[in-house]
Amino acid sequence: KQEVTQIPAALSVPEGENLVLNCSFTDSAIYNLQWFRQDPGKGLTSLLLIQSSQREQTSGRLNASLDKSSGRSTLYIAASQPGDSATYLCAVDGNQFYFGTGTSLTVIP
Amino acid sequence: KAGVTQTPRYLIKTRGQQVTLSCSPISGHRSVSWYQQTPGQGLQFLFEYFSETQRNKGNFPGRFSGRQFSNSRSEMNVSTLELGDSALYLCASSQRLSYNEQFFGPGTRLTVL
Repeated sequence: KQEVTQIPAALSVPEGENLVLNCSFTDSAIYNLQWFRQDPGKGLTSLLLIQSSQREQTSGRLNASLDKSSGRSTLYIAASQPGDSATYLCAVDGNQFYFGTGTSLTVIP
Repeated sequence: KAGVTQTPRYLIKTRGQQVTLSCSPISGHRSVSWYQQTPGQGLQFLFEYFSETQRNKGNFPGRFSGRQFSNSRSEMNVSTLELGDSALYLCASSQRLSYNEQFFGPGTRLTVL
């Protein structure tokens, strides 16, 4: 069974700092990997999707990379802002979606 | 284009009752997946429906069931509610193409007393 781990579980940074969130998975037979953000009590907002044949995707200040062979993905957030405060989840698509437990990010003004 | 909608947004039920939750996917999306989110277990996959057929099922008891209609709208039913069923229930829709990007609704917050 696919297991998805996200480290760290919580992260607090000052505004303007660049940061990296990590996601690892045990089974490399995946179709895609998707990053989401979730605000408290709300649904998930899709940030980036990386297909298994791709190495990275970029959207604005966000850059996600995928290394299927090592079972790792990173989400890089540049010049963090207080509005980036949320829980970030990664999910791997291996015929069904398996989610990590998330990284709770706080950006301090 | 309208996003994924879920109704109701909040529900309070008592143990032993049953509940039906509804999800309307993004127009043109034929796949609907359901998830349960709790503080202790995180996000867990319940099932996926595609073109009115259950395509995949997670590890949940038979009290959890679902269906999908010809217009791709989906319902999820939980019978004989237990306290542990209190959770945020999320549905996601996708086109189920090779890139299969999932889009989530706002969720239904179910509280079982």
